[in-house]
Amino acid sequence: EIALTQSPATLSLSPGEGVILSCRASQGVSRWLAWYQQKPGQPPRLLIYDTSNRATGVPDRFSGSGSGTDFTLTISSLEPEDFALYYCQQRDTPPATFGQGTRLEIK
Amino acid sequence: QVQLVQSGAEVKMPGASVKVSCKASGFAFTSYYMHWVRQAPGQGPEWMGMMHPRSGSTSYAQKFQGRVTMTSDTSTTTVYLELISLTSDDTAVYYCAKDQVVRGDGTRPIFDYWGQGTLVTVSS
Repeated sequence: EIALTQSPATLSLSPGEGVILSCRASQGVSRWLAWYQQKPGQPPRLLIYDTSNRATGVPDRFSGSGSGTDFTLTISSLEPEDFALYYCQQRDTPPATFGQGTRLEIK
Repeated sequence: QVQLVQSGAEVKMPGASVKVSCKASGFAFTSYYMHWVRQAPGQGPEWMGMMHPRSGSTSYAQKFQGRVTMTSDTSTTTVYLELISLTSDDTAVYYCAKDQVVRGDGTRPIFDYWGQGTLVTVSS
């Protein structure tokens, strides 16, 4: 199984700031990486798939990049509703696997 | 709009089994793979397996082989997850999730819609 390592585990930021979240794969996953946002008591919500494609309805302040083993999710200017957990998921090699998440908290 | 509505929370004794349902609407149910993903407290999501409602084909994560069964009822557009021989390690929220990918074998999923989750608690 491909392991995904997300860093950092927690980030404390203020609304309006920009942030870059990292996801590193234990082996190359080409561009087959997705990002999900999860709020307490809710299921994950697809944000980005295949590295850089925004899902339907996702604001353009969210963007993704990377390839191979290193990927990033960038939020250009944090809105209050963006403070949540973020997970990456690879679909290059079955089984699909997820990272352990990065929590964005309000400073 | 796409909706996946799951059955309610369950409390089970160790050794028991649980069956969770997921009723789908708003899309061509027989055209997409449906997956089950679970999330233990404080952990990242974990893929359990998938099935195709039209063919009935299934594929399960090795970890759950022999303990999990996924089925579907096309007349009610519902998929089911059954997990047997429960232990405390199975305490988690269980989600059904629709695969965005139309053409493929389901092994490289993008989870574009999720059910609201079903909490399964295993405790004596």
